[in-house]
Amino acid sequence: DTEVTQTPKHLVMGMTNKKSLKCEQHMGHRAMYWYKQKAKKPPELMFVYSYEKLSINESVPSRFSPECPNSSLLNLHLHALQPEDSALYLCASSLPTGNTEAFFGQGTRLTVV
Amino acid sequence: GQQVMQIPQYQHVQEGEDFTTYCNSSTTLSNIQWYKQRPGGHPVFLIQLVKSGEVKKQKRLTFQFGEAKKNSSLHITATQTTDVGTYFCAVWTTDSWGKLQFGAGTQVVVTP
Repeated sequence: DTEVTQTPKHLVMGMTNKKSLKCEQHMGHRAMYWYKQKAKKPPELMFVYSYEKLSINESVPSRFSPECPNSSLLNLHLHALQPEDSALYLCASSLPTGNTEAFFGQGTRLTVV
Repeated sequence: GQQVMQIPQYQHVQEGEDFTTYCNSSTTLSNIQWYKQRPGGHPVFLIQLVKSGEVKKQKRLTFQFGEAKKNSSLHITATQTTDVGTYFCAVWTTDSWGKLQFGAGTQVVVTP
């Protein structure tokens, strides 16, 4: 199984809502990532988890809160988002060594209204 | 941190033609990867280059890593409509392990 599964595929939320994005992989990868991608732009790294611990936070606003409950799951909790946060949110995983293939999920297309 | 500049950002190709996209860095890279993202899709890994002067082929795709490990190219021959998408180069930065950083991407449009 070389898949990274993200749910939901689409999400529309109001600025006062709380929602969560979910990501799951069963490849035994101990590094997991959240990326944000705006239209016609490259993916931008948000967070890196290594062995279930947060290792990199790219100065992401606190309205985005990541969580890694176990080695297969990665969540991104959303609260009080702004319309400019509308984007494709991609989860990825890889071996924890770096310099290796990253596997991306299909993404959650988020619209904040 | 390591940054890669990718050109062109947009490429309009007639079916059957060849094209090349380039990635350049001001610093020596330890590795470079290439990903393809189809319209509405997600990035999919194509290849990783590690050695100076390395050349790898995948059917009609040829990937090169420069001798100085500061540039890379992706050349596609006899473009097909299935080649439509955005091609990104990406590097794992050495200043902060765990960061896979992407170039701006080359969006490829193929006309029959």
